[in-house]
Order: sequence, then C-alpha cells, then structure tokens
Amino acid sequence: SQKIEQNSEALNIQEGKTATLTCNYTNYSPAYLQWYRQDPGRGPVFLLLIRENEKEKRKERLKVTFDTTLKQSLFHITASQPADSATYLCALLLSGGYNKLIFGAGTRLAVHP
Amino acid sequence: NAGVTQTPKFRVLKTGQSMTLLCAQDMNHEYMYWYRQDPGMGLRLIHYSVGEGTTAKGEVPDGYNVSRLKKQNFLLGLESAAPSQTSVYFCASSYSFFRQGASEAFFGQGTRLTVV
Repeated sequence: SQKIEQNSEALNIQEGKTATLTCNYTNYSPAYLQWYRQDPGRGPVFLLLIRENEKEKRKERLKVTFDTTLKQSLFHITASQPADSATYLCALLLSGGYNKLIFGAGTRLAVHP
Repeated sequence: NAGVTQTPKFRVLKTGQSMTLLCAQDMNHEYMYWYRQDPGMGLRLIHYSVGEGTTAKGEVPDGYNVSRLKKQNFLLGLESAAPSQTSVYFCASSYSFFRQGASEAFFGQGTRLTVV
C-alpha cells in the first residue's frame, strides 16, 4: 500500500540543538518533496521544496535531504529556538501527471528553553 | 492580497443536512485542493482541481462533491452530512507545480465542521 510515514511521537529537544525530523514513503514516485510548518489552529505554511534529482537544500537554519533510493527525507533545524515549536508536515507531489499533493501526518516538535 | 480565504470558519450541522464550503484565492493559481485534517491523521486529500472546469478525486472523496466553475473559486459540498465528516477542512492553491520556479501551496485558515 502507499503511505507516507512521519514519527507520530513528539520530538522534544533543548534550545540550541539541532532537530532532525524524518519522512519515509512507500510505493510513491514523487516529483517533489515539500516540508510545511503548522501551528495550532492555523493552516500549513510552506518551508522548503526539494526535487527528485536534488540531494540537499538549505534555507537559513533549515536543511532538507532527499534520498530516492531509501525513499526518505530528513528535515533539520539547526540552532533550534522555542519559536520553532510546531508540527512539521512532509508532502509529496506525485509525478506522472496526477498533480496530487499528498501529506504525511506530521511530527510535533517542542523546543525547550 | 487576501491569499486563500475559506468561508465559513465554523459550522455545526445536523446529520443529513447539506452545506457548501467556499474557497477563494486571488493569486491566479491553476491548482486548488480540499483536505480534511483529523487528529493523528494529517491532511487527507478529498478532491482537487488543476484548472477551471476540471476536478479529480483524492484519497477520501466519498460523501463529498466539488465544483470549479471559476478559476478563483473551489467549492466543497456535503450532500448529506454524517458524524464521520466532523473535521477541520483546509483549502489550498498553487501554481502548476511544473511551472518554472513554482513551489509552494498556500493554505486557507481552515473550516471547523461539526456534524451532530
């Protein structure tokens, strides 16, 4: 079956450390992989996109890697801050002309002072 | 720019009633999506549209219908609401993901629907 898996358990880290979130998928062929942030009661907000032919993308304190062989993406937040506390969602844009944007369940990150 | 606007923000329905959720975007986006979000299940795609007059089924389309008569609007209809449709509904829009330089989807603020 097709699925996108993100760690359902909350990730608790200390301020200043690097947070690493994982997104695994099976039986999908994504053209793009995206990461979004969602705060309680709000809609998701786009953070980063990485294409199938790219290995790594960076934006300020954020870094995304994409391994199409392992079918996995890692999302890193360096020098984390309490303001980074939120739920982070992984999304796949499926290739083959379907244009579907499919989301994982998300991982909640809590950064403690 | 308002971005993506969903109407209404909250609604309580009785089982069997019908309603329409409206999504409007002012960014001239080709693609529009409707998702539902339930605790622990993330965003699940209900229906989507890649252009005016076209719609397609997502992961959980049963019990819902959609229409995209105008490029800027995407309507989600519940013909006969059921308690299982209690959820938070999000609309999103984007340029074609295959357009040069295109990237993200923009989301509305959500509609919280309770069916009793």
